[in-house]
Amino acid sequence: DTGVSQNPRHKITKRGQNVTFRCDPISEHNRLYWYRQTLGQGPEFLTYFQNEAQLEKSRLLSDRFSAERPKGSFSTLEIQRTEQGDSAMYLCASRRVGTGGNSPLHFGNGTRLTVT
Amino acid sequence: DQQVKQNSPSLSVQEGRISILNCDYTNSMFDYFLWYKKYPAEGPTFLISISSIKDKNEDGRFTVFLNKSAKHLSLHIVPSQPGDSAVYFCAASVYGGSQGNLIFGKGTKLSVKP
Repeated sequence: DTGVSQNPRHKITKRGQNVTFRCDPISEHNRLYWYRQTLGQGPEFLTYFQNEAQLEKSRLLSDRFSAERPKGSFSTLEIQRTEQGDSAMYLCASRRVGTGGNSPLHFGNGTRLTVT
Repeated sequence: DQQVKQNSPSLSVQEGRISILNCDYTNSMFDYFLWYKKYPAEGPTFLISISSIKDKNEDGRFTVFLNKSAKHLSLHIVPSQPGDSAVYFCAASVYGGSQGNLIFGKGTKLSVKP
């Protein structure tokens, strides 16, 4: 178990630029989640995947946000035309769900985005 | 409107004593509750969970109590240790947590003093 890996750890960008974050889940986990955490708040659910299928995306904050998990392994979260309000910690989590039982969410250490 | 509320932003406890962290929820559909611990610059780490069919779950020094009628849960840490100093998040979900889209509270920062 090497843990959930997120890259980059920090990203500073100018308003209006596009950014993309990557998440590598724990290898045997079939579900992958994206959360956002702003200062003084708890993590806020954005979207999740079962293998390569995106099962819930209504909580994505706007149409500027999109996520993919093309081969059911790593995932990317893209924010287009970034705004200062997008500055936050973006957390990825994964878990195993299936007949063998469900594991709790395992979170990565996050990508901290700062939009100037 | 916050569906999961942690009304104490911070708590300070002496080493060896009991820490009690509280959490209230408003959505009666929640049926699975979890506590996560978060150190600075790290992601949240799962601590303990409880299903709504139970009123208590224990794991070592950590015990979670659920009072469904009051829509209240609490995390007890006994004895508290300096390494327990972290932010603790209460989280809840529906469908027994099978979907994994958790609703988190704002967190309580616990400081355990030696």
